[in-house]
Amino acid sequence: AQSVTQPDIHITVSEGASLELRCNYSYGATPYLFWYVQSPGQGLQLLLKYFSGDTLVQGIKGFEAEFKRSQSSFNLRKPSVHWSDAAEYFCAVGQTGANNLFFGTGTRLTVIP
Amino acid sequence: NAGVTQTPKFQVLKTGQSMTLQCAQDMNHNSMYWYRQDPGMGLRLIYYSASEGTTDKGEVPNGYNVSRLNKREFSLRLESAAPSQTSVYFCASRIGQGAHYEQYFGPGTRLTVT
Repeated sequence: AQSVTQPDIHITVSEGASLELRCNYSYGATPYLFWYVQSPGQGLQLLLKYFSGDTLVQGIKGFEAEFKRSQSSFNLRKPSVHWSDAAEYFCAVGQTGANNLFFGTGTRLTVIP
Repeated sequence: NAGVTQTPKFQVLKTGQSMTLQCAQDMNHNSMYWYRQDPGMGLRLIYYSASEGTTDKGEVPNGYNVSRLNKREFSLRLESAAPSQTSVYFCASRIGQGAHYEQYFGPGTRLTVT
């Protein structure tokens, strides 16, 4: 069965520091991978997605993610975090034949001045 | 273009009361979804509708019913609310059934059952 693991429940970084949020998936075939961001009291907004081609994908707000098949990972990165990036981040996987996405439990990001 | 809209934004119910959460999308999407979000559990799928006229159960359907009223609207009904249904509910839509299509989310309904 497919699953998504986000091992970090909460991460705190200083403004201007780099960021990496981890995501591991369990799925036999090539997955379709997504990162969403949820600001407090808001719905989820798509940051980026991967489904084929270049394993390094660029998203909105300066985020990028790299698909590593050998590690079953799709980690989200940003070189320099801004205070406005404080939010909860969700990794999700879609699979051929299934009509929905499977979400990780989320990582809450706190940005300190 | 409002995207996905949900009403109400907040609701407090007493145990045993019923209510319907409304969702509408104006993007001409075929598929629509209802999720619940609970702390530490991510989003869990309650029901989905792959296309107008069809609905299917997700991971946590017990205690809920849905109606795909037309292509735009997908409602979620709680017939007899229980405290375990206290949660934030999100509606989402996407253009088709292909796994590579992203989902677009509404702002959520925060429901408290006392």
